[in-house]
Amino acid sequence: AQKITQTQPGMFVQEKEAVTLDCTYDTSDQSYGLFWYKQPSSGEMIFLIYQGSYDEQNATEGRYSLNFQKARKSANLVISASQLGDSAMYFCAMRETKGGGSNYKLTFGKGTLLTVNP
Amino acid sequence: NAGVTQTPKFQVLKTGQSMTLQCAQDMNHEYMSWYRQDPGMGLRLIHYSVGAGITDQGEVPNGYNVSRSTTEDFPLRLLSAAPSQTSVYFCASRLAGGAGNEQFFGPGTRLTVL
Repeated sequence: AQKITQTQPGMFVQEKEAVTLDCTYDTSDQSYGLFWYKQPSSGEMIFLIYQGSYDEQNATEGRYSLNFQKARKSANLVISASQLGDSAMYFCAMRETKGGGSNYKLTFGKGTLLTVNP
Repeated sequence: NAGVTQTPKFQVLKTGQSMTLQCAQDMNHEYMSWYRQDPGMGLRLIHYSVGAGITDQGEVPNGYNVSRSTTEDFPLRLLSAAPSQTSVYFCASRLAGGAGNEQFFGPGTRLTVL
C-alpha cells in the first residue's frame, strides 16, 4: 500500500487564484512529519512547508498553508494568489519516527504537476 | 555555506561501466541519503547514512554501493551500470533528531546509461 498518495497528476489554476493540492498518507505512528517540496523545471527540490503530527495549528509559510486533517490522514497544500512562477511539480512526503530506519528517510508521493495560466 | 553539492551534473555511461557520483555537504549534518527520481515514481531511497562509518540500504539498493568515511562526503558507486539505472539522482542531508528537521537536497545528477 502506498504511504503517500497524491491523486492529482496535473492541476491547472488561473494566475492570482488559490489552488489546493491533495495529499493523503498512511501510517500507524503517532509521531510523524509531513513535508511539501516544489520541483521547478530546473530540477532542484525546494522545501516549502512542514507539519508535525502533534502540531495543533495548520502550518503556514507566506502564500503556502497546509490543511492538516489528522483523522482523515490528509495534508493538503494550499497556495494562495497563484503566480506564474508557481508552475512546477509538487511532492508531498512523510517522515515517520519509529520503526527500524524509518526515521532516516522521507517517503514521497508521485507528485502533482501544477500549471499556472496567465 | 555551499549546502549540498553533487558532481557531475550530467553523465552518460555505457552498459557495464562503473562510476561514482559525488556528494558533499558543509552543514555538519549527521544524516545523508541518496534518492533516485524516475518519471511518475516520485523519489525513492537508495542508501542512507546516519553518521561516518554507518550506512544502510533503502528501498532500491541493488546495483549501488555507498560508504561514509567522513561526515561531509557520501559517494554513490554504480558497480556495473545498466539502462534501468538511467535516472536523476539526488543526494540529501539533514540534522539528526525528530521528524521536523528539514532535509536539504543537492541539485541532482542526471545519469543516462546506454
